[in-house]
Amino acid sequence: GIQVEQSPPDLILQEGANSTLRCNFSDSVNNLQWFHQNPWGQLINLFYIPSGTKQNGRLSATTVATERYSLLYISSSQTTDSGVYFCAVDDMRFGAGTRLTVKP
Amino acid sequence: NAGVTQTPKFQVLKTGQSMTLQCAQDMNHNSMYWYRQDPGMGLRLIYYSASEGTTDKGEVPNGYNVSRLNKREFSLRLESAAPSQTSVYFCASSHRETYEQYFGPGTRLTVT
Repeated sequence: GIQVEQSPPDLILQEGANSTLRCNFSDSVNNLQWFHQNPWGQLINLFYIPSGTKQNGRLSATTVATERYSLLYISSSQTTDSGVYFCAVDDMRFGAGTRLTVKP
Repeated sequence: NAGVTQTPKFQVLKTGQSMTLQCAQDMNHNSMYWYRQDPGMGLRLIYYSASEGTTDKGEVPNGYNVSRLNKREFSLRLESAAPSQTSVYFCASSHRETYEQYFGPGTRLTVT
């Protein structure tokens, strides 16, 4: 199956800072999604983005399908952005996630 | 509109016992999924159902069975629980065309 690698595994930021999370995948995909798991365990779909760029408020995502990676940008981070960010591809193969901690 | 609901929220089983995890969605979605999440890891797909009446194996199906009872409900059964099945179980649903998945709150299962 497709291999999904996320980096960095951990990220600590001060409130207000910007960050970029990366998702690499080993083969071409038709489906790529980004999720946020909050500290209470709830999973929220952020983007469905098999290619191109999307923006939703302070969050945006870009997938370059030909180069097999996707980026999630978080601008002006807030403490409520803390949690784990996962990407998942095609047959819902998840990466191991990036744990983000935003300090006040 | 409750979204995706799961019952129970917590469960403790002894090795060899059986149980069924229930999942229901009220978004008229075609596809439903069961995942498990082990500590410090991403989710792994156990089974999915692309539409009512169909089910398919995911990455880690061994030790589990599923039933797509109707369009709303998708249950996961452990016939003989093992300690290796201690995990948090998530159910999700999606409209087939958009693939965007919506998750339930999870069931924390401990097998002793």
